Amino acid sequence: ETGVTQTPRHLVMGMTNKKSLKCEQHLGHNAMYWYKQSAKKPLELMFVYSLEERVENNSVPSRFSPECPNSSHLFLHLHTLQPEDSALYLCASSQERTDHSPLHFGNGTRLTVT
Amino acid sequence: QKEVEQNSGPLSVPEGAIASLNCTYSDRGSQSFFWYRQYSGKSPELIMFIYSNGDKEDGRFTAQLNKASQYVSLLIRDSQPSDSATYLCAVKWGDSSYKLIFGSGTRLLVRP
Repeated sequence: ETGVTQTPRHLVMGMTNKKSLKCEQHLGHNAMYWYKQSAKKPLELMFVYSLEERVENNSVPSRFSPECPNSSHLFLHLHTLQPEDSALYLCASSQERTDHSPLHFGNGTRLTVT
Repeated sequence: QKEVEQNSGPLSVPEGAIASLNCTYSDRGSQSFFWYRQYSGKSPELIMFIYSNGDKEDGRFTAQLNKASQYVSLLIRDSQPSDSATYLCAVKWGDSSYKLIFGSGTRLLVRP
């Protein structure tokens, strides 16, 4: 399998549930990202891991907790979410320290919080 | 506050026409510029990137960069209905991809 794969594709959860989103990249990249995409808003960077260390956290609420066990896998653990957290969550990867390295996105997880 | 501005559209063009998508950015230190296409319900996919002033062509797509005017555009020649999507402009001002700022996107509709 190639590229960036995300599971699940769709997730409906209540505000008291705990769930996790999974991302796996098969591109040999050394950086992985979580983005949030809400309707009519720009993509929002949530977390960045470069060489498995978190290097960026754009003041995301603590109800979102990332985990990067190795350079190919990335998780986003969710707990006590709010309805406004409903969005498309995109994982991406890139090769850092490479000129003009673009992001490669997964297919996303459509999250609905009820 | 670094910003990337795009007209939300929709931009409607007839099949076969040239579609012109525009993007302005606020940071003069920006180094790389990317265009992504996103179909409804799908993830963004990279179309092109450009980092030098001037034009860069790839098939029916041409990216144009003018750093003095802080302006980047994407031209789509011979537009097809399958080009109907939202086009995202992204600007990077450092050597790390997490220094990438996205615009809100322009929705393109190509009428058969």
